[in-house]
Amino acid sequence: ETGVTQSPTHLIKTRGQQVTLRCSSQSGHNTVSWYQQALGQGPQFIFQYYREEENGRGNFPPRFSGLQFPNYSSELNVNALELDDSALYLCASSFGRRSGANVLTFGAGSRLTVL
Amino acid sequence: KNEVEQSPQNLTAQEGEFITINCSYSVGISALHWLQQHPGGGIVSLFMLSSGKKKHGRLIATINIQEKHSSLHITASHPRDSAVYICAVRGGNNNDMRFGAGTRLTVKP
Repeated sequence: ETGVTQSPTHLIKTRGQQVTLRCSSQSGHNTVSWYQQALGQGPQFIFQYYREEENGRGNFPPRFSGLQFPNYSSELNVNALELDDSALYLCASSFGRRSGANVLTFGAGSRLTVL
Repeated sequence: KNEVEQSPQNLTAQEGEFITINCSYSVGISALHWLQQHPGGGIVSLFMLSSGKKKHGRLIATINIQEKHSSLHITASHPRDSAVYICAVRGGNNNDMRFGAGTRLTVKP
């Protein structure tokens, strides 16, 4: 069984640009959640998708949006990038509708630098 | 005050020592996770528990729901245990996860 794969692993953008990060879920999982981890801090929950619908969202502005596809892979889109968006973006997959109620499998993350 | 507090923030131990990392939370939860993060960022899920105690190899996790407290213990610590250990809880009504800031463990040979 394959794990969670994220792409790209590293990228550099400038303020005002848009970015799309991708995540493939582990085989058998139908839920993907996204997290932002600033340097030296714990992760923060962005949102979760279950069966192609958003079913939970943290305290992030609307310029953070996402999608989940029929194969349960997912994208995180961030518009109008700001310097503070520089962080490691982690996705995790699990089975079931309730985030955190089942074991999470994390990807290695996408490190975004905004200049 | 953060909803999930970990202590200590940093911990240095000698190989072979018994290690305890603590996590206290202030929200009602349905599950608590202990995660391990190595340099470079990848996170591995160590435990998910909602009551009692779980053991996996040299790792033991306990939770006291009434006291809103969990501990992660490492027996016979080894330099390869060096990592950041993160406590996370599922709480609230928004399907969200709340994370502690992490405990950076360094085990010296």
